[in-house]
Amino acid sequence: GQQLNQSPQSMFIQEGEDVSMNCTSSSIFNTWLWYKQEPGEGPVLLIALYKAGELTSNGRLTAQFGITRKDSFLNISASIPSDVGIYFCAGPGRGSTLGRLYFGRGTQLTVWP
Amino acid sequence: EPEVTQTPSHQVTQMGQEVILRCVPISNHLYFYWYRQILGQKVEFLVSFYNNEISEKSEIFDDQFSVERPDGSNFTLKIRSTKLEDSAMYFCASSFLPGGTEAFFGQGTRLTVV
Repeated sequence: GQQLNQSPQSMFIQEGEDVSMNCTSSSIFNTWLWYKQEPGEGPVLLIALYKAGELTSNGRLTAQFGITRKDSFLNISASIPSDVGIYFCAGPGRGSTLGRLYFGRGTQLTVWP
Repeated sequence: EPEVTQTPSHQVTQMGQEVILRCVPISNHLYFYWYRQILGQKVEFLVSFYNNEISEKSEIFDDQFSVERPDGSNFTLKIRSTKLEDSAMYFCASSFLPGGTEAFFGQGTRLTVV
């Protein structure tokens, strides 16, 4: 299967700091998705990217689709305690048009007040 | 806001028993999925379902697994004879468009096989 490598694995930051995490793949993705998962909940879609080079924001979150189509990053500005959770990158498999998403292992974010 | 709902939230079962996990997808969605997440690991695709048939399945989705949409609202995952390694969070998801890119996930069912 297609592998997505996320880094860092975990982050411990102070409230108000900016956060940056990224995701790389050995193969090209045509769509990059960023999800957030809180304890006991399912993944919630934050941002979807559909075009190489695309930069998309959702409030304090900004994500970019790398021009090589093999990477993406997610930035969170001015973090707050409710940003705590696991952030996953994901993308549909090559040749899959009906829903197989591959997920990275996630970045665990902890925000100290 | 419409949401995907899953029941039960937690199921404990003995090894070898059959379990059925239930999901109610968002009502106007056409594509349905099951994913699982073993504790501390990444989310893994199991199966996608469209037009009353499986459209894609992963290597994990072997003969022990089956899915069904028995009526217009429910979408179920059955594990015929559970194994210890089936212990995981199981997430149902649905989307209006194909490709799963705008998929909404349920809150999950935690399955514990003892």
